[in-house]
Amino acid sequence: QQKVQQSPESLTVSEGAMASLNCTFSDGTSDNFRWYRQHSGKGLEVLVSIFSDGEKEEGRFTAHLNRASLHVSLHIREPQPSDSAVYLCAMSITPSGSWQLIFGSGTQLTVMP
Amino acid sequence: NSKVIQTPRYLVKGQGQKAKMRCIPEKGHPVVFWYQQNKNNEFKFLINFQNQEVLQQIDMTEKRFSAECPSNSPCSLEIQSSEAGDSALYLCASSQDRGNTLYFGEGSRLIVV
Repeated sequence: QQKVQQSPESLTVSEGAMASLNCTFSDGTSDNFRWYRQHSGKGLEVLVSIFSDGEKEEGRFTAHLNRASLHVSLHIREPQPSDSAVYLCAMSITPSGSWQLIFGSGTQLTVMP
Repeated sequence: NSKVIQTPRYLVKGQGQKAKMRCIPEKGHPVVFWYQQNKNNEFKFLINFQNQEVLQQIDMTEKRFSAECPSNSPCSLEIQSSEAGDSALYLCASSQDRGNTLYFGEGSRLIVV
């Protein structure tokens, strides 16, 4: 069964310092990966989608994908207290012609002013 | 920002009671997913649709859970006989096509007492 592991479970950074989150997946057959975040009591907000090895930037959010090492990361430049949330990586798979997203268990990011 | 609308935001049910949640997908999005998110941030895929047709559903859904996405009406997820373990955040998401980005609503939080 395909799995997604996120690290760290929680991360505290100071406002303005780079925040880096990691995700490893069980195999390299996924079509693409996405990073979402979820503020407390809210739904999921998509941050960045990445389809091929390398880097993809969306504003202050940059994702790096390396299929060979089964790893995708998210870097948040100049984080602000409003960025405090749970960050989730999601792997897209197509089992038996269908389509699903497999989520990691999340990283709780706290940005201190 | 996502335009997926979920109602109600909260519902409290006794064990054995029915629980029904509704979702209006983003306009122009024929693909709809339902996920269950527990307090440990674990996501469980329940069912997905393309237009009114079920694409895939898990075994649990086939027993106590039912869902539909009728044309010109909100999609719905119903639990026939709620159990304590059903307490969770139920997230609806929609997409333009299979494999495209899923946009999530804010969820319906079910508490079974």
